[in-house]
Amino acid sequence: EAQVTQNPRYLITVTGKKLTVTCSQNMNHEYMSWYRQDPGLGLRQIYYSMNVEVTDKGDVPEGYKVSRKEKRNFPLILESPSPNQTSLYFCASSFGAGRPNEQFFGPGTRLTVL
Amino acid sequence: GNSVTQMEGPVTLSEEAFLTINCTYTATGYPSLFWYVQYPGEGLQLLLKATKADDKGSNKGFEATYRKETTSFHLEKGSVQVSDSAVYFCALIDNTNAGKSTFGDGTTLTVKP
Repeated sequence: EAQVTQNPRYLITVTGKKLTVTCSQNMNHEYMSWYRQDPGLGLRQIYYSMNVEVTDKGDVPEGYKVSRKEKRNFPLILESPSPNQTSLYFCASSFGAGRPNEQFFGPGTRLTVL
Repeated sequence: GNSVTQMEGPVTLSEEAFLTINCTYTATGYPSLFWYVQYPGEGLQLLLKATKADDKGSNKGFEATYRKETTSFHLEKGSVQVSDSAVYFCALIDNTNAGKSTFGDGTTLTVKP
């Protein structure tokens, strides 16, 4: 089944404790992206990747890191999480980097930073 | 920068009512436009899209027409069902930088029997 998977689905952590949210897709998509969803703010793009070893900032990159060492994986790293990063996070992928194609979304990761 | 403005919610309708969710955009380039739907506890999934002016996207009884002159992409459905209850997001991708996506705030629709 074609899908985007995220792990973990739920995470409660404390301020300053480094964490990684994994994202993997099995559709051989070039493009991958991370978003956060907050009430009243919709989805905001954190980082995106047009292909392996190519990443760029979205609208809200502060406090986040990403890497794209393999085509299928695009982990989101919070080096020192803070309470304002409590949010619902979505990973997405699409075919054909550089083209405005449909994005396929993962199920989401709900992160709480205490 | 680019922006998407959606009609504020929540929207509550009775079954078989007509639905309109307004969406307007600003973009520096020439965007492609999308409507995504998010059912409770799930990720977003594409509902429909349009890539150039006057294109009409349609799916599952929903329609939206790309209006360049009014910079709008309003979502419509003639007769909603309880199963259409969800959050709807309007989004754009600027064709001059297809890496960046801009989403609206989302509109929550509740359809009552």
